Amino acid sequence: GQNIDQPTEMTATEGAIVQINCTYQTSGFNGLFWYQQHAGEAPTFLSYNVLDGLEEKGRFSSFLSRSKGYSYLLLKELQMKDSASYLCAVTDSNYQLIWGAGTKLIIKP
Amino acid sequence: ETGVTQTPRHLVMGMTNKKSLKCEQHLGHNAMYWYKQSAKKPLELMFVYSLEERVENNSVPSRFSPECPNSSHLFLHLHTLQPEDSALYLCASSPILAGGPTDTQYFGPGTRLTVL
Repeated sequence: GQNIDQPTEMTATEGAIVQINCTYQTSGFNGLFWYQQHAGEAPTFLSYNVLDGLEEKGRFSSFLSRSKGYSYLLLKELQMKDSASYLCAVTDSNYQLIWGAGTKLIIKP
Repeated sequence: ETGVTQTPRHLVMGMTNKKSLKCEQHLGHNAMYWYKQSAKKPLELMFVYSLEERVENNSVPSRFSPECPNSSHLFLHLHTLQPEDSALYLCASSPILAGGPTDTQYFGPGTRLTVL
């Protein structure tokens, strides 16, 4: 079966750095997405990786290793507004998007 | 800001009611999606439309009936639901239905559905 694994919940301190991991087992691979979802709101697109390596976008970076079936989202200089759920999703060989259950990130002052 | 709107935002219905959820996208996209989101579970893809044709129906019970009259509008008709159908129903759209960054999905705020 197809599977995306992420930690259920993480806690970090304002101003610090946090890394949210995602591992996947899918039938084929055509890209990996990270989305942010604040409570009661729509998921919003953060990043897309299809090649190995690091993609940096401001305070957020996303890393991909296709050989390891692994990605992480790195958040730097954490702010209280970064408290949200972070969803990892992989496009499989049929171009179907397979979603993880999300990681709830709690930021403490 | 989202270019995808959903109404109503909240809905409470009995098991014998019939109701409809509405989604509208203002992004000029050609693909639209219905998802079910339950607490601590992955997003469940329900239906996919590409250019107003249904291309995906993931074994969804017939009490959920989608309708896509044009590329900007998507409906989900609800009939004889069960309490376990209570969830957040999200609509999304993407430029095209294909792999890659052009498949980035843009979500609406969702309808919080409670079935009594």
